[in-house]
Amino acid sequence: NAGVTQTPKFQVLKTGQSMTLQCAQDMNHNSMYWYRQDPGMGLRLIYYSASEGTTDKGEVPNGYNVSRLNKREFSLRLESAAPSQTSVYFCASSVAGGMNTEAFFGQGTRLTVV
Amino acid sequence: RKEVEQDPGPFNVPEGATVAFNCTYSNSASQSFFWYRQDCRKEPKLLMSVYSSGNEDGRFTAQLNRASQYISLLIRDSKLSDSATYLCVVTVTGGIIFGKGTRLHILP
Repeated sequence: NAGVTQTPKFQVLKTGQSMTLQCAQDMNHNSMYWYRQDPGMGLRLIYYSASEGTTDKGEVPNGYNVSRLNKREFSLRLESAAPSQTSVYFCASSVAGGMNTEAFFGQGTRLTVV
Repeated sequence: RKEVEQDPGPFNVPEGATVAFNCTYSNSASQSFFWYRQDCRKEPKLLMSVYSSGNEDGRFTAQLNRASQYISLLIRDSKLSDSATYLCVVTVTGGIIFGKGTRLHILP
């Protein structure tokens, strides 16, 4: 049972390069999320998708775009990477964003922008 | 005011001791409450849900006070393996909000 799968696990980009972080879940969850985690900052929500076909901005959306490709997949795109986007990125999913819903996380993508 | 606030610690606690963390949240419409555990360089994982009536899971006890908008976690007879960061989590319509976490170090 895979749960939430993120790819890649590690990535180094040069400033200005673009890339897409992939996330897929096999738990038939409606809601999916992208967070970034920086030392001392905790998890900050970038974008979320409450259900297939919808996406909404979170706390720190600038410099990112997302696509909810289908119910399983939620990708995060960096169009022009900047050193400030060096972080660990976590994808998560939950049955729904409201009542009594545990979030399951992928193992994270460690991104360095040089 | 931040939505979910926690003391970042670190809490350095001798093995076998009891330790307690608190967390406050600002949104009175918050719906569900959890404690997550995160080990170094790993993803967060659910530790336990938090209910108004209080709930216990082995050495761990969680409590919710809706009137005062705070959540607590008590760890009894702490083990070396309890060393981790503990994240307070609150759900609101459409989203899950994480606190920055409290770091716990259990000392042998």
